[in-house]
Amino acid sequence: ELKVEQNPLFLSMQEGKNYTIYCNYSTTSDRLYWYRQDPGKSLESLFVLLSNGAVKQEGRLMASLDTKARLSTLHITAAVHDLSATYFCAVDRSGGSNYKLTFGKGTLLTVNP
Amino acid sequence: ETGVTQTPRHLVMGMTNKKSLKCEQHLGHNAMYWYKQSAKKPLELMFVYNFKEQTENNSVPSRFSPECPNSSHLFLHLHTLQPEDSALYLCASSQVVATYNEQFFGPGTRLTVL
Repeated sequence: ELKVEQNPLFLSMQEGKNYTIYCNYSTTSDRLYWYRQDPGKSLESLFVLLSNGAVKQEGRLMASLDTKARLSTLHITAAVHDLSATYFCAVDRSGGSNYKLTFGKGTLLTVNP
Repeated sequence: ETGVTQTPRHLVMGMTNKKSLKCEQHLGHNAMYWYKQSAKKPLELMFVYNFKEQTENNSVPSRFSPECPNSSHLFLHLHTLQPEDSALYLCASSQVVATYNEQFFGPGTRLTVL
């Protein structure tokens, strides 16, 4: 059974600081996705990582994938309050007729002034 | 309408009621999904449909009954629910290809079972 673990699950940081969220998974996959969820809202796709060494950046967020280590990171640079949300990683094991993402528990990020 | 839409956005029902959740995707995708999101629990995949055929039923109780009449529409029929079924129900769709399965989510239905 594929397991996806995120840490930390809760992260409180000050504006202007840097931090990294980690996503570990238990079986081979080279497809990983990051989503953002604001309170009471749906999930918004942030990044799609489709190969070992993939790196994507959007604003103050940068995501990377190391398939050998089965690890993805979401790095936050100079955090601002607008980044406060829950961030989920999801691993793709789709194949044959099985179209399935397995999600981590999510990291609740709070950015304080 | 664009993306994935869900109705209703909020639903309060008693344990003896029957109701349905509706999802529609306007993206031309070939797969649709129902997820349950409860407080303090991971996102739980409930059902997967690929080209209208159910390909996954994640041990969901029979009081939840999905229906997929075509590739654009997905329903979740609810009957005799329990209070612990109260949650946010999210619909998603994707265009599945061999190397890619990015899922796009609807806004969700917040369900409260009294």
